[in-house]
Amino acid sequence: DAKTTQPPSMDCAEGRAANLPCNHSTISGNEYVYWYRQIHSQGPQYIIHGLKNNETNEMASLIITEDRKSSTLILPHATLRDTAVYYCIVRENRDDKIIFGKGTRLHILP
Amino acid sequence: DSGVTQTPKHLITATGQRVTLRCSPRSGDLSVYWYQQSLDQGLQFLIQYYNGEERAKGNILERFSAQQFPDLHSELNLSSLELGDSALYFCASSVLAGGGRGELFFGEGSRLTVL
Repeated sequence: DAKTTQPPSMDCAEGRAANLPCNHSTISGNEYVYWYRQIHSQGPQYIIHGLKNNETNEMASLIITEDRKSSTLILPHATLRDTAVYYCIVRENRDDKIIFGKGTRLHILP
Repeated sequence: DSGVTQTPKHLITATGQRVTLRCSPRSGDLSVYWYQQSLDQGLQFLIQYYNGEERAKGNILERFSAQQFPDLHSELNLSSLELGDSALYFCASSVLAGGGRGELFFGEGSRLTVL
């Protein structure tokens, strides 16, 4: 079973920041938080990951709470091309079985 | 382009038949994962191989089998096909343990339609 809980869907206006929450209250100390997205029926795409500290790359920012029980993926300026299902996963880097939950379907509104 | 190649992209076959899906991982990646995604469903983990050895199994049916060859490509074999096996089948690769960041790189999938 997936170790994360995400809202099934969210809307965001184009040009605004999209903030996607993820709850992982049972995360262990050596588990990372990974985010992927799947646009329509394409192969999922890696976005970002982190352990304790907040992370930023060219695609997004990841904010992890101090107790590590939840995180937020931030797309700073959402565009229509960001419409996708976003998956939050927790895993150790040595995990062999990587389980995806149902994710959040993000709709970007023009 | 993720660097992961899956063939065929589309496959239509009849119930009771057998098909083989092929995956070539990114250069240097030793680990291959297979996932099934039925219509409007999430990604279901099937099986994982690392450097030719099976490392983890998910909810993979007994009619399905897989292997990873010495050149690291992998094949997923689906037999006695049923209508419910119609789905997208994704392969992903990663550098597992000892290096890399652990993220998965997915292919574009093989869409199987069973009639």
